[in-house]
Amino acid sequence: DTEVTQTPKHLVMGMTNKKSLKCEQHMGHRAMYWYKQKAKKPPELMFVYSYEKLSINESVPSRFSPECPNSSLLNLHLHALQPEDSALYLCASSPAPGTIQETQYFGPGTRLLVL
Amino acid sequence: GENVEQHPSTLSVQEGDSAVIKCTYSDSASNYFPWYKQELGKGPQLIIDIRSNVGEKKDQRIAVTLNKTAKHFSLHITETQPEDSAVYFCAATFSEKLVFGKGTKLTVNP
Repeated sequence: DTEVTQTPKHLVMGMTNKKSLKCEQHMGHRAMYWYKQKAKKPPELMFVYSYEKLSINESVPSRFSPECPNSSLLNLHLHALQPEDSALYLCASSPAPGTIQETQYFGPGTRLLVL
Repeated sequence: GENVEQHPSTLSVQEGDSAVIKCTYSDSASNYFPWYKQELGKGPQLIIDIRSNVGEKKDQRIAVTLNKTAKHFSLHITETQPEDSAVYFCAATFSEKLVFGKGTKLTVNP
C-alpha cells in the first residue's frame, strides 16, 4: 500500500481565516513533505520533516506553519494567506530520507483558493 | 545551483507510436531519478525510477535510460495509449530534496 491521504480535497478561505491541511500515511515512512503546485508548473518544495523533525524550510512565509504530531501525520496551518497562495498543496512521504529508500509517494492534494 | 531541464514541454503522438522525454540535471552528485505522471486534478504518481549505478530500467511499456557522464536521462513509452495522456515530470535528488523538471504534457491521439 503506497497511499498518502489528504484532507480536505478542496478549501476556500478568506484572507483573515485560519485553516489547516492534513496529511496521513500508514506506510511507516519516516520523512514527510509539503509541496506547493501552481497551475502548469512542477511541485515546489516547502517543508521536509525527517524523523518528525523539521529538516528543511525552503524560506516559506510564516503564514504557513507546518506541524508533525507523529510519524504518520503532517499538518499545514494556514493564517492570513494572500490570493497568490491559491494552489494545489501536495503532501508526500518517503521511507527513509537520504538513503536508497528515498522514493517519494504523493497524496492527491488539497486545492486551495484564497479570496 | 540545483536545476533539472526537461524537453519537450508538449508532445503529441498517435496511438501506438513511441514517446520520448529528455531531462538533464546540473549536480553530478545526484544519484536518484524518478519519473512521475500527473493526471488532471490528481497528485503525481511514480511510474518508474532509476539509480545512478544502473544505465537502463524497463517496466512493460515504460523504460528509463541514464547517462551519468552527460548528466541526462530519458523516459521512453512504447505503444502509447490514450490513457497515457498526462503531464510527465522528471526529477533528480539533491541531498534530501527532489527537484522537478518543468513537465511535459503528453497527448496521445486515438
